[in-house]
Amino acid sequence: QKEVEQDPGPLSVPEGAIVSLNCTYSNSAFQYFMWYRQYSRKGPELLMYTYSSGNKEDGRFTAQVDKSSKYISLFIRDSQPSDSATYLCAMSERQAGTALIFGKGTTLSVSS
Amino acid sequence: ETGVTQTPRHLVMGMTNKKSLKCEQHLGHNAMYWYKQSAKKPLELMFVYNFKEQTENNSVPSRFSPECPNSSHLFLHLHTLQPEDSALYLCASSQDTRGETQYFGPGTRLLVL
Repeated sequence: QKEVEQDPGPLSVPEGAIVSLNCTYSNSAFQYFMWYRQYSRKGPELLMYTYSSGNKEDGRFTAQVDKSSKYISLFIRDSQPSDSATYLCAMSERQAGTALIFGKGTTLSVSS
Repeated sequence: ETGVTQTPRHLVMGMTNKKSLKCEQHLGHNAMYWYKQSAKKPLELMFVYNFKEQTENNSVPSRFSPECPNSSHLFLHLHTLQPEDSALYLCASSQDTRGETQYFGPGTRLLVL
């Protein structure tokens, strides 16, 4: 079983839709969770991060962590064509010598 | 310049060439990373440097040779590459190597002919 599972999509939605992106993981020691957005031919940019369980909101974006289910989500409200990108989840144990573990990324297309 | 910069942005090379990728971070971080990103695959961590010392080498072939002269600069020297090495090579930095948030450069898109 891979450490982090993420459905690669592609996911196509109309403008204004609510988008839900998800990752599951197997390592219960993960406690630091991130979402990156990567536009075509660019490097990933940090979108949101959360520590341990709970929700975090930033504008149209909400990150949710459920450690009991080993499941994290990113919700995008009122999606825009500019949200079309690949979204990568990443997580770590937040200990010395540990690395970020990335999902494969989900490709999202928002049509106007 | 702010953030993490990488040069060149695009590179085409033959299998017998020698070239180098450069990365510079302006964030005051202590750790720097090289990743390989191929289509339909997760990011592959190649090398990790912390305070200029290499702390991780993920079984990367010797045709890839990293160099970290200081905490702000990272190089990836390439020689006798194979076509399957064509990919986006990303540099990242973070404050330390405790699984902290990493900040990425724009990448170098490499094509090996």
